Amino acid sequence: KAGVTQTPRYLIKTRGQQVTLSCSPISGHRSVSWYQQTPGQGLQFLFEYFSETQRNKGNFPGRFSGRQFSNSRSEMNVSTLELGDSALYLCASSRMGQGSDNEQFFGPGTRLTVL
Amino acid sequence: SQQGEEDPQALSIQEGENATMNCSYKTSINNLQWYRQNSGRGLVHLILIRSNEREKHSGRLRVTLDTSKKSSSLLITASRAADTASYFCATDGNNRLAFGKGNQVVVIP
Repeated sequence: KAGVTQTPRYLIKTRGQQVTLSCSPISGHRSVSWYQQTPGQGLQFLFEYFSETQRNKGNFPGRFSGRQFSNSRSEMNVSTLELGDSALYLCASSRMGQGSDNEQFFGPGTRLTVL
Repeated sequence: SQQGEEDPQALSIQEGENATMNCSYKTSINNLQWYRQNSGRGLVHLILIRSNEREKHSGRLRVTLDTSKKSSSLLITASRAADTASYFCATDGNNRLAFGKGNQVVVIP
């Protein structure tokens, strides 16, 4: 069974630009969650999608958005990039999502650098 | 705010020794999970313990959960150089996973 894949793996953008990151979950998994990881703040929850609906959202500004397609693939978008958005963005998939006693399977992450 | 808080933050041990990490949390949980991360890569799930469980084993891993103290511990026995990684606890409550800051473990061959 293929694992969670994320594209691209590395990305360099400049302030003010926007970026779209992609995540393909494990086949059969309906939940995709996104996290931002930085040395200062650690791992922070961005949002979770389940069956194309955003089920939960963390404390991030509206510049961070996402969506999920009918095949469970998910994208997250960050508009008007700021230097502080430089981070490792991780997505995780699971069969039934958070709060359902099942483990999250993480992708390798997308390393975003904002210059 | 971070739900899980691991203690200690960094640990350096000799191969073959045991490593213990602790995690505390503040609110009620459905389960608590431990993950490992190697050098800025994705996280790997290690073990999940439900709120009604007190102890769980998986290979060289032993996890305990004390809901009255809102704390958990992860024990890695007979450590190997390949166990060098960051270890995170994550609490699953309110339909979201909240991660701690992580424990950096270095196993010296």
